[in-house]
Amino acid sequence: GAGVSQTPSNKVTEKGKYVELRCDPISGHTALYWYRQSLGQGPEFLIYFQGTGAADDSGLPNDRFFAVRPEGSVSTLKIQRTERGDSAVYLCASSLGIYDTQYFGPGTRLTVL
Amino acid sequence: KNQVEQSPQSLIILEGKNCTLQCNYTVSPFSNLRWYKQDTGRGPVSLTIMTFSENTKSNGRYTATLDADTKQSSLHITASQLSDSASYICVVSASSSASKIIFGSGTRLSIRP
Repeated sequence: GAGVSQTPSNKVTEKGKYVELRCDPISGHTALYWYRQSLGQGPEFLIYFQGTGAADDSGLPNDRFFAVRPEGSVSTLKIQRTERGDSAVYLCASSLGIYDTQYFGPGTRLTVL
Repeated sequence: KNQVEQSPQSLIILEGKNCTLQCNYTVSPFSNLRWYKQDTGRGPVSLTIMTFSENTKSNGRYTATLDADTKQSSLHITASQLSDSASYICVVSASSSASKIIFGSGTRLSIRP
């Protein structure tokens, strides 16, 4: 595709529910990143994939958060038992390699009521 | 602790004027420094990238400087336009780890006609 796409663009859910956020990276980009951005703050690293494997998941805040990239392309960020504090914009980025320019998607705005 | 601090937090200038945004970092070991532009509701877009050996990089009306000794960078915007209104984020990468890509909180720039 022309760029990184993310779906849905907005997600409103109730506390305790499960949500999945999807990221379609640029074709051919092996590196994929998930970030979380709160209002007025810079993005905060969550997890990094190199191919199909999670090369670095040290940014995931707790075990309610999980991400997969089964075929090395599309990735899904999964949040269980959502809490109000999970409300944020979740950004996905992809790059050719870890030190190459990251191209960001438009983000998914998650609101937990 | 790896940190990236930006100043000012916000800035308002008149269309056509120049401005300079600042970034100080303590990320180590240093790999590269990037400036991103983030429009409201969009993902960040890369403007410049500089490695240790580079001390200036231009992209149109945007010029970034890097002083690796003092661990400071600046982004200078010349002849500002209304479309320059956005958040500008300084991002510093440490070698070897995706989780060591540290984002600043950004400077919110508003251009007034």
